[in-house]
Amino acid sequence: GQNIDQPTEMTATEGAIVQINCTYQTSGFNGLFWYQQHAGEAPTFLSYNVLDGLEEKGRFSSFLSRSKGYSYLLLKELQMKDSASYLCAVRAPSYSGAGSYQLTFGKGTKLSVIP
Amino acid sequence: DAGVTQSPTHLIKTRGQHVTLRCSPISGHKSVSWYQQVLGQGPQFIFQYYEKEERGRGNFPDRFSARQFPNYSSELNVNALLLGDSALYLCASSLVWQGAYEQYFGPGTRLTVT
Repeated sequence: GQNIDQPTEMTATEGAIVQINCTYQTSGFNGLFWYQQHAGEAPTFLSYNVLDGLEEKGRFSSFLSRSKGYSYLLLKELQMKDSASYLCAVRAPSYSGAGSYQLTFGKGTKLSVIP
Repeated sequence: DAGVTQSPTHLIKTRGQHVTLRCSPISGHKSVSWYQQVLGQGPQFIFQYYEKEERGRGNFPDRFSARQFPNYSSELNVNALLLGDSALYLCASSLVWQGAYEQYFGPGTRLTVT
């Protein structure tokens, strides 16, 4: 089975740095994704990691350690518009057999950025 | 270019009825995935299709079915609706279905079962 854990809520100050952690236990692994979802909107893609290490993309960075089943999303120079839910998702083989994959999402971390 | 489109935006059904949700992927994308998102939870994977073939299926009952058409649009069908099927149904499209690909989500269909 698949199990993904991330904190339910976090609060950070505008201009600061925040790290959102994600731990996972899956049967098989084919990549980890981070998505941002504003209230009432669809998720938007932020990052993808399949190898260990850090991927940097502007103010956002994502780290993966496959041996530890651990990832984090780092947001720098926080802005008010970064207030949203951040979803960690792992791709792994699906129930339907060889060659098929499914994306399993965590419950999301609701980030509130305060002035 | 248009993004992923879904119809209808909102839908209200009663228990036991059947519903069909529709999705049109981004032009050039051949893969469509369906997700169910209950309020306060992350999306749950239902199906993925690529080139009209099912490439992934989540842990949902057989009341849920889907198909992909030659133009890569897709339908999600849910039979014998239950109250617990009330959720936001998201469609996501991507160029491929394996490897490092991005999925682009549509705005979703909000289904309410009464």
